[in-house]
Amino acid sequence: GAVVSQHPSRVICKSGTSVKIECRSLDFQATTMFWYRQFPKQSLMLMATSNEGSKATYEQGVEKDKFLINHASLTLSTLTVTSAHPEDSSFYICSARDGRKTEAFFGQGTRLTVV
Amino acid sequence: AQSVTQLGSHVSVSEGALVLLRCNYSSSVPPYLFWYVQYPNQGLQLLLKYTSAATLVKGINGFEAEFKKSETSFHLTKPSAHMSDAAEYFCAVSGGFGNEKLTFGTGTRLTIIP
Repeated sequence: GAVVSQHPSRVICKSGTSVKIECRSLDFQATTMFWYRQFPKQSLMLMATSNEGSKATYEQGVEKDKFLINHASLTLSTLTVTSAHPEDSSFYICSARDGRKTEAFFGQGTRLTVV
Repeated sequence: AQSVTQLGSHVSVSEGALVLLRCNYSSSVPPYLFWYVQYPNQGLQLLLKYTSAATLVKGINGFEAEFKKSETSFHLTKPSAHMSDAAEYFCAVSGGFGNEKLTFGTGTRLTIIP
């Protein structure tokens, strides 16, 4: 149980285009989902927290207009990187919290490369 | 506010030797503490967690950790290292049930020497 599926695992896009990353909880309802960014050989930095049906809460320094987060259902959240630039290249990881448990479960991550 | 410090960005141990990965935390509320493992280009897998019950927590793959409030520590140990343990390990803290925002340490890369 408690499987979180993130798609795609890898994506390469051209500078100026937008990329959508999906995060799905497969066997539980995720009341809260988190999006993290991880730079090479570094830790995870929380970008935003999203609750189903409401606007995401962004961490300080994260551009909400650039990183659009939608949490339209209890099993799906999406992160859209708009007008991507090479500096947006990174590893993005989502996690989803099962409201009945004390921890969140992580997706497999998405390696975004902007060329 | 919460923070986590992982001492040692790289740790190398011989196969069969004791693994000790250090984690110290700071929290203004009773914390929940977690250890995660990450393999290359993958997400994080939960090894174990402390949520204010038993201070000695046993996790998967033979790992365990002890919560020591007096030392504000939550070190991860395994009696005998296996080659498959080579990975990146992250310690994380949250503010407890209802406050699941995780703050991660900088990670420790564990290398196993054959």
